[in-house]
Amino acid sequence: DTAVSQTPKYLVTQMGNDKSIKCEQNLGHDTMYWYKQDSKKFLKIMFSYNNKELIINETVPNRFSPKSPDKAHLNLHINSLELGDSAVYFCASSQREGGTYEQYFGPGTRLTVT
Amino acid sequence: LAKTTQPISMDSYEGQEVNITCSHNNIATNDYITWYQQFPSQGPRFIIQGYKTKVTNEVASLFIPADRKSSTLSLPRVSLSDTAVYYCLVGDIHDSSYKLIFGSGTRLLVRP
Repeated sequence: DTAVSQTPKYLVTQMGNDKSIKCEQNLGHDTMYWYKQDSKKFLKIMFSYNNKELIINETVPNRFSPKSPDKAHLNLHINSLELGDSAVYFCASSQREGGTYEQYFGPGTRLTVT
Repeated sequence: LAKTTQPISMDSYEGQEVNITCSHNNIATNDYITWYQQFPSQGPRFIIQGYKTKVTNEVASLFIPADRKSSTLSLPRVSLSDTAVYYCLVGDIHDSSYKLIFGSGTRLLVRP
């Protein structure tokens, strides 16, 4: 069973469109994250939710909006896509409360904006 | 957050032991040292974490000297499948605002 899954794996879209990436974890973790890895391979945290509450909100355009309907899901919605949004987006989860803080990453979603 | 410095790349051969050193001169008292591994087209994977002295698991060992200003990830008898990028991260894992700050990592190439 996949611990952290993301859909879709690949996403090709045009500038100006709105798209969503979904993430689900079946580890029972209380915290989930979104990361962006750009073409230079730098991996940067974007958001983190703990028990459905936003706890980390890095400096990202407000076109990016995370949504956590429950502890097992964290979706990322992106409005008005731009060329610079092209990257691989990784979802991750960890157990903060009484846990080791080890983060488990999903397989990534490669977003290409044309 | 403590800044980390590690070699950009390393080469090795199958069966050798590989040691990747990370410098973190400004490590704080409550900071832990964590290493992640990332294969191409995959998300990072936790390898090992430690606070001081030596930690060993089924994958690697982590050596931390008494001053904690550096740490060394040791991979015994590497294979081709160990070719990956290795990230050293430092932070207070018990802080509510703790987050992983990835640097450029060390790109390890294992040759036959």
